[in-house]
Amino acid sequence: AQSVTQLGSHVSVSEGALVLLRCNYSSSVPPYLFWYVQYPNQGLQLLLKYTTGATLVKGINGFEAEFKKSETSFHLTKPSAHMSDAAEYFCAVSEREAAGNKLTFGGGTRVLVKP
Amino acid sequence: NAGVTQTPKFQVLKTGQSMTLQCAQDMNHNSMYWYRQDPGMGLRLIYYSASEGTTDKGEVPNGYNVSRLNKREFSLRLESAAPSQTSVYFCASRGLATTGELFFGEGSRLTVL
Repeated sequence: AQSVTQLGSHVSVSEGALVLLRCNYSSSVPPYLFWYVQYPNQGLQLLLKYTTGATLVKGINGFEAEFKKSETSFHLTKPSAHMSDAAEYFCAVSEREAAGNKLTFGGGTRVLVKP
Repeated sequence: NAGVTQTPKFQVLKTGQSMTLQCAQDMNHNSMYWYRQDPGMGLRLIYYSASEGTTDKGEVPNGYNVSRLNKREFSLRLESAAPSQTSVYFCASRGLATTGELFFGEGSRLTVL
């Protein structure tokens, strides 16, 4: 079964600083990879995804992530944090031939942005 | 522009009571899912329905049942609620493509006393 590990359940960054959220997956075949964001009292919304092709993927709100097969990683970055980036972020994977197209989620990383 | 709609948004139950969470999507998606969210554990899949007429267990199905009423609706039932089922429940849907994203409802916060 797939598993997803997000290193650090909480991350605190200063406004304007780099945001780096780590995600590693376990799979012998590279899966499809996703990052979702959850703002307080809301559902999850897609930030970006990797399916095939270019390994550096750009998403909404200035976020990007790089798929590294050799490291089984899909870390999320943003060069300059804004106060509005305070939220919880989830990495998720989907097997390429999974029955039911299920997504497996990591434990989440809550981002706090300090002024 | 509703997307995925869940009801109720909040519910308090006593141990042993039953209830049903309702979910409907208007995007003509084939697959629908129920997840629960608990602090530090991310989202865990309870049940899913890959297409109308089929349902399958996910990672944490014990204590739950589901019904795929039609293509639009997928309900989650707790027959005898337990405090361990206190959680936030999310319904989601997805189209045919395996590369497609999940679309989520806003969640249902359930407390079992």
